[in-house]
Amino acid sequence: DTGVSQDPRHKITKRGQNVTFRCDPISEHNRLYWYRQTLGQGPEFLTYFQNEAQLEKSRLLSDRFSAERPKGSFSTLEIQRTEQGDSAMYLCASSGTGNNYGYTFGSGTRLTVV
Amino acid sequence: AQSVSQHNHHVILSEAASLELGCNYSYGGTVNLFWYVQYPGQHLQLLLKYFSGDPLVKGIKGFEAEFIKSKFSFNLRKPSVQWSDTAEYFCAVIFNTNAGKSTFGDGTTLTVKP
Repeated sequence: DTGVSQDPRHKITKRGQNVTFRCDPISEHNRLYWYRQTLGQGPEFLTYFQNEAQLEKSRLLSDRFSAERPKGSFSTLEIQRTEQGDSAMYLCASSGTGNNYGYTFGSGTRLTVV
Repeated sequence: AQSVSQHNHHVILSEAASLELGCNYSYGGTVNLFWYVQYPGQHLQLLLKYFSGDPLVKGIKGFEAEFIKSKFSFNLRKPSVQWSDTAEYFCAVIFNTNAGKSTFGDGTTLTVKP
């Protein structure tokens, strides 16, 4: 297993367009998390899944954001009608549970909305 | 509100100096605590974690952290830093150990001068 993979690494889009990011977690991890990070800030929680169930979604996440994890494997994060304020690094992490808890992060997808 | 504070935004040290990075949280209940590190050009990775038991935990690369419950703190230490420790360090907390997500501080950038 090569770790957590995110695709694409970079995305430039025009304001108003929709974008979708993909995350492939470590196969034996049943928890998957999405975070957003802007310059000078720590990662900000967006949502997380345990297997295919979306267990929590940040109140900061507008209705333009949606995430899925079909069959409890990879996950997608979609942003509809992008705005300039959506420009950020979008991070995916996966984790086991119990004593195996601890995030393994992907390299992130850097989104630039122009 | 539950929060994580890292008061040192940027620390500059010479090689062989001792390091202590502060992390404080605001929450009266049980917590799980983590330090993550991001080396230049790399993704975030877990440095060490505390769940229970001995409040002094040891991580990779000679780092350790001490949980002081009465001070709501989980400071990161290393007795002698190396140039290769130059990185950004993030403290993270799970505020309700039944919850899945971690809340991150805004990070401390450590620069070690050779």
